[in-house]
Amino acid sequence: GAVVSQHPSRVICKSGTSVKIECRSLDFQATTMFWYRQFPKKSLMLMATSNEGSKATYEQGVEKDKFLINHASLTLSTLTVTSAHPEDSSFYICSVLDEQGAGYGYTFGSGTRLTVV
Amino acid sequence: GENVEQHPSTLSVQEGDSAVIKCTYSDSASNYFPWYKQELGKGPQLIIDIRSNVGEKKDQRIAVTLNKTAKHFSLHITETQPEDSAVYFCAATDSWGKFQFGAGTQVVVTP
Repeated sequence: GAVVSQHPSRVICKSGTSVKIECRSLDFQATTMFWYRQFPKKSLMLMATSNEGSKATYEQGVEKDKFLINHASLTLSTLTVTSAHPEDSSFYICSVLDEQGAGYGYTFGSGTRLTVV
Repeated sequence: GENVEQHPSTLSVQEGDSAVIKCTYSDSASNYFPWYKQELGKGPQLIIDIRSNVGEKKDQRIAVTLNKTAKHFSLHITETQPEDSAVYFCAATDSWGKFQFGAGTQVVVTP
């Protein structure tokens, strides 16, 4: 299956600063990537769908100006949490659609634990 | 849209026993049903999946069954081991091809 690398795994930032999270597809070209948010002991909530070369599609209730997504290449999507606040502290996970596979082939990154202090 | 319900929320089993997790979905157009295992602090890992044209699939100690008429699917883990302890999520694709995840099941396997 696909290999997805997500960095950083953990980040602590001060309120008001911005944090960038990277999601890389290491062994194939990903036209579609997904960004999820997960609160402790909760399920994964889709934030947005990142499409290479076009604007991301955000789910209802997700602030696109706060969570900036860039998918400038077929191997990299970035999520930037702008002007972070403590309530943005969460586990962020990217997912890649391996369209070269036999089926849907969704592979998840290892996640990023964001703590805003 | 799709609504996926997962039960139980927690499941404690003794090593060697079987564990069963059940999920129901609402969108009759759903045609792909993966199961993910998530260990603490890590991203979900696909452990098994099933498509709507198949009723059952098995991979060593893990099996998944699908009942399209009743709109439910289940994960079966046999001969459980301590390393099976994790949170398990079911998912189903909705009409747009997006995943809807269940709420998760915390499985604890006690030696």
